[in-house]
Amino acid sequence: AQTVTQSQPEMSVQEAETVTLSCTYDTSENNYYLFWYKQPPSRQMILVIRQEAYKQQNATENRFSVNFQKAAKSFSLKISDSQLGDTAMYFCAFIDYNNNDMRFGAGTRLTVKP
Amino acid sequence: NAGVTQTPKFQVLKTGQSMTLQCAQDMNHEYMSWYRQDPGMGLRLIHYSVGAGITDQGEVPNGYNVSRSTTEDFPLRLLSAAPSQTSVYFCASSSNRGHYGYTFGSGTRLTVV
Repeated sequence: AQTVTQSQPEMSVQEAETVTLSCTYDTSENNYYLFWYKQPPSRQMILVIRQEAYKQQNATENRFSVNFQKAAKSFSLKISDSQLGDTAMYFCAFIDYNNNDMRFGAGTRLTVKP
Repeated sequence: NAGVTQTPKFQVLKTGQSMTLQCAQDMNHEYMSWYRQDPGMGLRLIHYSVGAGITDQGEVPNGYNVSRSTTEDFPLRLLSAAPSQTSVYFCASSSNRGHYGYTFGSGTRLTVV
């Protein structure tokens, strides 16, 4: 079974600094997709960034970037210039090419301190 | 563009009661799913549908039923509520088998007493 592991239940960072959230996954598939979702206190699930496994280039969306290491099955999220609005729960997620079942990690609660 | 609409946002049930959580999407997405979110466990798939008339079980289907009579609607029924079903429930939809991510509803916080 495919699993997603987020080993950091909680993290904090000072405003304007950089923070990295970790995620590892387990799969025997070669073609799949990885995501980071943000869940602020409003509870809404917001897609932050997406990575295609067959692309070696790391995805970037403004202040958010990933470090995708396919051989190590690692998919970390880097948030640069952290803002108070980045305070949220962050979920790493995985879906393989032939499946309809998106798997989520347990989440990392990030607090940005002023 | 409403996206994915879930109702109600909050609900309190007594043990043994039944209820239906409603989910509707207006994006003509083929795929719809129900997840539950519990502390320390992330989101776990309850049931999903790949199109009208087709449903399948996810990771934690026991105690829940679904049907998909139209592309737009995917209700989740709790047959006989139990305290273990206290959770936050999310409906999600996607095109292209979720390869571009899911669009989520705003969630339903359900408490079973």
